[in-house]
Amino acid sequence: EAAVTQSPRNKVAVTGGKVTLSCNQTNNHNNMYWYRQDTGHGLRLIHYSYGAGSTEKGDIPDGYKASRPSQENFSLILELATPSQTSVYFCASGGRDGNQAPLFGEGTRLSVL
Amino acid sequence: AQSVTQPDARVTVSEGASLQLRCKYSYFGTPYLFWYVQYPRQGLQLLLKYYPGDPVVQGVNGFEAEFSKSNSSFHLRKASVHWSDWAVYFCAVILSSGSWQLIFGSGTQLTVMP
Repeated sequence: EAAVTQSPRNKVAVTGGKVTLSCNQTNNHNNMYWYRQDTGHGLRLIHYSYGAGSTEKGDIPDGYKASRPSQENFSLILELATPSQTSVYFCASGGRDGNQAPLFGEGTRLSVL
Repeated sequence: AQSVTQPDARVTVSEGASLQLRCKYSYFGTPYLFWYVQYPRQGLQLLLKYYPGDPVVQGVNGFEAEFSKSNSSFHLRKASVHWSDWAVYFCAVILSSGSWQLIFGSGTQLTVMP
């Protein structure tokens, strides 16, 4: 069964610390995406990827890095976490040309104190 | 700029009534369009998808949507709403030229009254 799995599901971090959010997909999709969701802002695209080794900036990339070491895995990295990065983060995977609807993980709830 | 607009932040309907949630897109090209639903503290689940072809597409749980190129719209409909449809609904578009970004509207909170 096609799936997108995020880990951890919940994370508490300290300001200035490094945080890595992981995403694994078993859909054999080329494209992967990272979003954050905040009340009043809907879903905002942080980074996305076309395949292993590629990362692209989305609408709000500042303060975030991404890594796509393989087809299946896509990580979001906060090198120096700040309280403003407290949010719910969603990963998604989708087909190369949009003909396979993107599927989402269950989300990671991050609190930066 | 390419965008997706959901003009209604909140919609309230009575159980058993019909429903329409509006979505407008701004894009000069062939869009791939989607509707997702989000239940509290969960991820987004796909309701239906539109690829170029039949303008009316059927989804899960009795939902359907109609694509209109002339109106740049992709409205979601349901003939009879159930209390379990209480959720947030998102319209999204994949930009089919260049970046293949998946762009979301701001969402519509649906409340179902008994």
